[in-house]
Amino acid sequence: DIQMTQSPSSLSASVGDSVTITCRASQSIGNSLNWYQQKPGQAPKPLIYAASSLLSGVPLRFSGGGSGTDFTLTISSLDPEDFATYYCQQTYSVSMYTFGQGTHLEIK
Amino acid sequence: QVTLKESGPALVRPTETLTLTCTFSGFSLRRGGVSVNWIRQPPGKALEWLARIDWEGVEFYNSSLMPRLTISEDPPNNQVLLKMTYVDPVDTATYFCARELVTTTGTGYFDSWGLGTLVTVSS
Repeated sequence: DIQMTQSPSSLSASVGDSVTITCRASQSIGNSLNWYQQKPGQAPKPLIYAASSLLSGVPLRFSGGGSGTDFTLTISSLDPEDFATYYCQQTYSVSMYTFGQGTHLEIK
Repeated sequence: QVTLKESGPALVRPTETLTLTCTFSGFSLRRGGVSVNWIRQPPGKALEWLARIDWEGVEFYNSSLMPRLTISEDPPNNQVLLKMTYVDPVDTATYFCARELVTTTGTGYFDSWGLGTLVTVSS
């Protein structure tokens, strides 16, 4: 099974800051990496698919990058609504998908 | 408009079988590139992918839970069911179903999610 490791597990930042979350796969997954945002009591919301493709309606301050085993999610100029938990997910292994353990982004 | 809604018992006793239903609308599971997935999230913990059934009716399971899981579809009712046998308190979680779309590049992502249903396993 492909393991997904996110870092950091938690992050404190201020409105207006830029932050980067890293996701590492235990083996190469090409660009089959998605990012989701989850707020308390809500279902996850997809942000980015195929490592760097921004979904319609997602603010341009979100960007994704990487390929192979190392990926990033960058949020530039944090907005108050961005404070949430972020998950990466690999869909390369069609027989078993896996999520990262999550990165909790909180207001400093 | 795509919608998915999970339903099932809020409380299950240990060793019992849990059956969850995902009722969806706005899409067909027979459309190429579409799958329905089940995911769970224990309180305060991370998401865990459980199972998927794709547009050809092929089933995929989390390898660590596979012996206990069965995913199936009820096409006339636009439903996907998940059965989990021999539940334990560690199976207490919010269970989500989600539609997966496979993009033109061949990668898939979960574009629509249900609100989730909380299942507590306790005697």
